[in-house]
Amino acid sequence: ETGVTQSPTHLIKTRGQQVTLRCSSQSGHNTVSWYQQALGQGPQFIFQYYREEENGRGNFPPRFSGLQFPNYSSELNVNALELDDSALYLCASSLAATPDEKLFFGSGTQLSVL
Amino acid sequence: AQSVTQPDIHITVSEGASLELRCNYSYGATPYLFWYVQSPGQGLQLLLKYFSGDTLVQGIKGFEAEFKRSQSSFNLRKPSVHWSDAAEYFCAVGGAGSTLGRLYFGRGTQLTVWP
Repeated sequence: ETGVTQSPTHLIKTRGQQVTLRCSSQSGHNTVSWYQQALGQGPQFIFQYYREEENGRGNFPPRFSGLQFPNYSSELNVNALELDDSALYLCASSLAATPDEKLFFGSGTQLSVL
Repeated sequence: AQSVTQPDIHITVSEGASLELRCNYSYGATPYLFWYVQSPGQGLQLLLKYFSGDTLVQGIKGFEAEFKRSQSSFNLRKPSVHWSDAAEYFCAVGGAGSTLGRLYFGRGTQLTVWP
């Protein structure tokens, strides 16, 4: 158990719809990162939030957006869903946005786009 | 460009046999290197990490990894595999010039353990 919880665990959407995924960080962690893991692939960095501000972004289009709240929980929003957005979405929290801090991953949200 | 290559997509070993999972990286600065394990339906669990110092690092569950700068490699080893080690293993690289959250992962190596 990492203390990072994600909801929902599974989700089915149709192309063009919008989706919101949620992540509750481990207590005391002020940094959250989101990753997309397509089937048979390693996780790909989407973005990171540190103290409610975006702190880095990977190679994802603007229709992927996020929020971090004062309690450090986080949301990942994806607009205009495409079939290729089907993947496991992982949230990871850490105590700080520094390289030597350990990442704690949630179990993920499995998103299927039909 | 930053990248991680795990050349073995699937490895099968017998229980009790030794294991080595290969990882090669490309990174423009001093790399921070990690190995994570993922069991079905689970998130990623950190096995070990290398930042600096001794190039042989010890991790959890009896795993170790050796950083070889000249070969840009960070191979994971275990002297005697247990059936519970069956999972997917990911090598990842990050760096001091980046935030910890920005890790670049390989595509993973699926480990099957025969009884």
